[in-house]
Amino acid sequence: DTEVTQTPKHLVMGMTNKKSLKCEQHMGHRAMYWYKQKAKKPPELMFVYSYEKLSINESVPSRFSPECPNSSLLNLHLHALQPEDSALYLCASSQGGDRLFFGSGTQLSVL
Amino acid sequence: QKEVEQDPGPLSVPEGAIVSLNCTYSNSAFQYFMWYRQYSRKGPELLMYTYSSGNKEDGRFTAQVDKSSKYISLFIRDSQPSDSATYLCAISASNTGKLIFGQGTTLQVKP
Repeated sequence: DTEVTQTPKHLVMGMTNKKSLKCEQHMGHRAMYWYKQKAKKPPELMFVYSYEKLSINESVPSRFSPECPNSSLLNLHLHALQPEDSALYLCASSQGGDRLFFGSGTQLSVL
Repeated sequence: QKEVEQDPGPLSVPEGAIVSLNCTYSNSAFQYFMWYRQYSRKGPELLMYTYSSGNKEDGRFTAQVDKSSKYISLFIRDSQPSDSATYLCAISASNTGKLIFGQGTTLQVKP
């Protein structure tokens, strides 16, 4: 199994809602990532988890809250988002190092 | 100056053509170089991974890194319509999954 699975594929939320994005991998990878990609822009790193511990936070606003319940799962909790947070949110995993496997992403729209 | 520069295109070629995609970077500390392919509404897919300088070939794809010029290239031989996608170069200094992506070049291969 070489897939990173993200749910939901699409999400529309209001600025007062709380929602969560989910990511799962069964490749035994020890590192998992959240990237954000705006339309026609490259992905930008948000968070890195290594061995289930947060190792990199790229100064992301606190309305984004990551969680790594176990080595296969990664969540991104969303609260009080702004319309400019609308983007494709990509999860990735790797066996350490830079060979990242990306999921198909969650397309988020904030109204 | 951006850390990675990539011409966004679009680039349109006839089927069977040789395609050359390029990126330049500014920091000589970067050691890890990747090319990702991204289809519309999908996550990036790792095509090529190179450490330091040199060439790497995989089927119709060849990646080149010239550290003296801070220049990386991806060549696609015998291009196919299925190669139509956005190609993103990515670089890293630390092998921690903290990738810096180029803008991405949109490629269209016409039958």
